[in-house]
Amino acid sequence: NAGVTQTPKFRILKIGQSMTLQCTQDMNHNYMYWYRQDPGMGLKLIYYSVGAGITDKGEVPNGYNVSRSTTEDFPLRLELAAPSQTSVYFCASSSLAGGITDTQYFGPGTRLTVL
Amino acid sequence: QKEVEQNSGPLSVPEGAIASLNCTYSDRVSQSFFWYRQYSGKSPELIMSIYSNGDKEDGRFTAQLNKASQYVSLLIRDSQPSDSATYLCAVISGGYQKVTFGTGTKLQVIP
Repeated sequence: NAGVTQTPKFRILKIGQSMTLQCTQDMNHNYMYWYRQDPGMGLKLIYYSVGAGITDKGEVPNGYNVSRSTTEDFPLRLELAAPSQTSVYFCASSSLAGGITDTQYFGPGTRLTVL
Repeated sequence: QKEVEQNSGPLSVPEGAIASLNCTYSDRVSQSFFWYRQYSGKSPELIMSIYSNGDKEDGRFTAQLNKASQYVSLLIRDSQPSDSATYLCAVISGGYQKVTFGTGTKLQVIP
């Protein structure tokens, strides 16, 4: 049982380049999330998904896109990378328990630097 | 006003002492409350969850929730150097199960 996996672990991009951060979970969770965490700061929600084919914006969605074609995968796409997107990106998943979102399980994170 | 507020710290306590971490939230209809621990360079991991008023104990950890005063706290008894980390408070509210994290409190346990 791998839980939530993310690739790559580290990446350096040049301004204007694009990339996709991969996230996969094997817990059959309906809910999946993408967060970014800047140094010394909390987690800010970028996008989330409540199931395959359903996604919605979080607090800081500008410059990012997501898709959810399967329950397991939730990739995050960065178009036209900017230095402001330098951050650590965490993917998380959770299930519903009694109609309330249960514990979030986090992946190990992707450390992205845009130069 | 921030939706979920925590003192950024650092909070320094001697080994063996009780560490008390606090979190306040602004949305009165918040439903679920979580404490996560995050070691430097690592991802958050769940410590405690609490859903109703009162105390919930798990080993050395006790979560306390007071919905009337809109605060949730985490007590760590017999603090160990391995408890040194940043503790994130997370609150779930809203129709789509919106999850909001505080900025975290850095705890330092001094041997």
